[in-house]
Amino acid sequence: AQRVTQPEKLLSVFKGAPVELKCNYSYSGSPELFWYVQYSRQRLQLLLRHISRESIKGFTADLNKGETSFHLKKPFAQEEDSAMYYCALDYNTDKLIFGTGTRLQVFP
Amino acid sequence: NAGVTQTPKFQVLKTGQSMTLQCAQDMNHNSMYWYRQDPGMGLRLIYYSASEGTTDKGEVPNGYNVSRLNKREFSLRLESAAPSQTSVYFCASSKGQGRTYEQYFGPGTRLTVT
Repeated sequence: AQRVTQPEKLLSVFKGAPVELKCNYSYSGSPELFWYVQYSRQRLQLLLRHISRESIKGFTADLNKGETSFHLKKPFAQEEDSAMYYCALDYNTDKLIFGTGTRLQVFP
Repeated sequence: NAGVTQTPKFQVLKTGQSMTLQCAQDMNHNSMYWYRQDPGMGLRLIYYSASEGTTDKGEVPNGYNVSRLNKREFSLRLESAAPSQTSVYFCASSKGQGRTYEQYFGPGTRLTVT
């Protein structure tokens, strides 16, 4: 069965430090993966999707099919990056399964 | 544009009571979704609607019914609420069926069943 795993509930870093939020997936088909973010008192919103191969707010994520991973990375964290981050897998034409989320705290 | 709106924001029910959560979107989206989020868990899909007049079950449909009233509105009904349905409920919409379409989320409804 399809599954998305985010092993870290909380990740704390200082401003300027590199950040890597881990996401592993289990899926027998061709994966389509997303990162969604929820800032404090805001709605859940799309951060980036793997098919676009884009960098948003300095974040990138590379799909590694061999390791079944889609880790989110940023070379220099900013305080405004503090938020909940959810990795999601499209497993059946726009049905998403979400990971449990990682709270990123960036200290000044 | 308001995007995706949900009512109510908060609700407390007694076991056995019924209620309907309302969701509307003004983006002319075809697909709409209902999720629940429990502490320590990711969002789980309850039901979704690929287009007006169609609905389908997600991961956790038991205890819920839905109605796609028109293209804008998608309601979620709890016929006989149970404490296990205490959760935060999110409605979402997307442009269409396709594996890369972004989903747009509402602000959520926090439901407590006592």
